[in-house]
Amino acid sequence: QLQLQESGPGLVRPSETPSLTCTVSGGSISSSSYYWGWIRQPPGKGLEWIGSIYYSGSTYYNPSLKSRVTISVDTSKNQFSLKLSSVTAADTAVYYCVSQPYTSGEKPYYFDYWGQGTLVTVSS
Amino acid sequence: DIVMTQSPDSLAVSLGERATINCKSSQTVLYSSDNKNYLAWYQQKAGQPPKMLIYWASTRESGVPDRFSGSGSGTDFTLTISSLQAEDVAVYYCQQYYSDPYTFGQGTKLEIK
Repeated sequence: QLQLQESGPGLVRPSETPSLTCTVSGGSISSSSYYWGWIRQPPGKGLEWIGSIYYSGSTYYNPSLKSRVTISVDTSKNQFSLKLSSVTAADTAVYYCVSQPYTSGEKPYYFDYWGQGTLVTVSS
Repeated sequence: DIVMTQSPDSLAVSLGERATINCKSSQTVLYSSDNKNYLAWYQQKAGQPPKMLIYWASTRESGVPDRFSGSGSGTDFTLTISSLQAEDVAVYYCQQYYSDPYTFGQGTKLEIK
């Protein structure tokens, strides 16, 4: 079964552009059956979908974050990444990478596998 | 955006009793073309990532105990735990994947009475 593992900087300064990476194991990121996504959860709060990417590079982004988010994929490393620009304290959250089953011609579905999450704290 | 609203926000149930969590979407998540409800339920225990329990509103994920069941259609959905176990203490979320942006309910905290 799929396993996902996030890695990231932990502590970042306001206005910086941190990059998070998700390494996928137990399957190929080039699978035609999956999109790969990011979800975040501020401490003590609920879940917010950030965006998702297909191995071909096709993306969906949450409009609320779209202007600051870039998701990319590296099929050679079986990884995908998230960059979030101009961060503020409001971006402090646990960031999860997830997999989304996908059928050609439709939009990605639910989030079936989750990484353990990585806490990104924005503070000066 | 489709707004997902769960009720109640918190719930305390005795061991062995039934727990019911409701989820309402601001618009239908039932696709007429395939007659499927694009609705999932997740369980998040303290300090852990969410775990998917149910998708297509009523299909249990492999390995999920059969005391968990999902029902509903259109805009109103329910997650039922038929006989609460101690390990079911968690926050439960519903989520729609009918349209992006994908959105979650605010969560329902389930505790033991």
